[in-house]
Amino acid sequence: QQQVKQSPQSLIVQKGGISIINCAYENTAFDYFPWYQQFPGKGPALLIAIRPDVSEKKEGRFTISFNKSAKQFSLHIMDSQPGDSATYFCAAPDPNAGGTSYGKLTFGQGTILTVHP
Amino acid sequence: GAVVSQHPSWVICKSGTSVKIECRSLDFQATTMFWYRQFPKQSLMLMATSNEGSKATYEQGVEKDKFLINHASLTLSTLTVTSAHPEDSSFYICSARDWGLANNEQFFGPGTRLTVL
Repeated sequence: QQQVKQSPQSLIVQKGGISIINCAYENTAFDYFPWYQQFPGKGPALLIAIRPDVSEKKEGRFTISFNKSAKQFSLHIMDSQPGDSATYFCAAPDPNAGGTSYGKLTFGQGTILTVHP
Repeated sequence: GAVVSQHPSWVICKSGTSVKIECRSLDFQATTMFWYRQFPKQSLMLMATSNEGSKATYEQGVEKDKFLINHASLTLSTLTVTSAHPEDSSFYICSARDWGLANNEQFFGPGTRLTVL
C-alpha cells in the first residue's frame, strides 16, 4: 500500500510570505502528482499537478518542485494571501493502481494553512 | 474544467435507515469514479473504486454489504449506506476520471455531509 507523508501538519504565515508544504511517497504506478486545496465543508479542488518529466511546474503563485530520485515533491505558494487559508493535500498514484483501479490516488495527511493579514 | 455534482449535499437520518448518495459527472463521461470518506480534520480515505458496468472494488476494511456502490452509466455512480449508524456519520466525497483525458486527473464533487442520529 502506498504511504504518502505530508508535512507540516499546520502552517501559519503572514500575508505576502512564502508557504512551503512537503510530500514524500514510496512507490508509484504512474507519474502524476497533484496538489489539492480544500475549504471547510467543500470537496477538494485540483490546484496544480506535475508529471516527473519536469522538475518544476509553475502556475501563477503556485509552484510544484519534484525530486524523483528522492521521491519527494513540494508545493510553494508565493505571496501568500488570506484567501489561500485552506487545507492542502498532496497525492501520489497507488503503486497497485491497475486495471479497474487505474487512477487510484493515495492522499497525504493534509496541511492546514493559515495566512494572517 | 470538468464538473462533478453530488446529491444530496447534506442528509440527516435515523439509525438503521439507508441513505443513497448520487455522484454525477455533468460534462464528461467517467468510466471510473472513486468514493472517499473524510472525518473532521482528517485526510480523504478511499472507500472504493467504481467502474461503469462492473462491480466496485472496495478498499481493505470497507464493508461491501454496508456501502453499496452502483455505477450504472458513464455519468452516474451511487453510494448507498445501508443500516446507517452514528459511526457512519462523515463527509462522503466522490471523484471522477474523465476517460477522454490522457492524464489521471480526478475531479471531485462538493461532498455530502451525512449525520446519523
